[in-house]
Amino acid sequence: DTEVTQTPKHLVMGMTNKKSLKCEQHMGHRAMYWYKQKAKKPPELMFVYSYEKLSINESVPSRFSPECPNSSLLNLHLHALQPEDSALYLCASSYTSAPTYEQYFGPGTRLTVT
Amino acid sequence: TQLLEQSPQFLSIQEGENLTVYCNSSSVFSSLQWYRQEPGEGPVLLVTVVTGGEVKKLKRLTFQFGDARKDSSLHITAAQPGDTGLYLCAGKEYGNKLVFGAGTILRVKS
Repeated sequence: DTEVTQTPKHLVMGMTNKKSLKCEQHMGHRAMYWYKQKAKKPPELMFVYSYEKLSINESVPSRFSPECPNSSLLNLHLHALQPEDSALYLCASSYTSAPTYEQYFGPGTRLTVT
Repeated sequence: TQLLEQSPQFLSIQEGENLTVYCNSSSVFSSLQWYRQEPGEGPVLLVTVVTGGEVKKLKRLTFQFGDARKDSSLHITAAQPGDTGLYLCAGKEYGNKLVFGAGTILRVKS
């Protein structure tokens, strides 16, 4: 089973709202990732968690706040977003953060900021 | 950051034709992955190549990793409409960061 699940599938939020994206995997993976993807472009890395600790933050604005409550769950808390933050947000996981392990992606959350 | 150049960016072909997508870099990657993504969905891993000169086949798809591990290609034989999608190559950088190519949008017309 190589399934990564994400909820919700679609989200529309105003610029003053607070919302959260959720990601879950039950493959025993210890590395989890958040990516942002604009239409017809490759995914852009935002955050990497390794063994539930934040290991990479790609200079993401503070209006995006990641959280890894346990090894199976990854959240992305959103607050005061801008319309240009509208995108497909992808979660991925891999066995560990070592280069030999592939990343498996979830289906994504389509976020629209109005 | 290592860069991956992917070409072509767009490809529109008729069903039954063959095609090749290229992924090139001036840097060496420890491994390289190919993903396929449909609109509104996440990328789906097709294959990982690790050894220089490696060739892997997945039905009508053939993947090659260059001898120097700096380039890779994806060849599709007798393309079908179901092959339509965004194809992404991605190489592993230090810290397990995936470096993505710009992607190839493939449209196969019936």
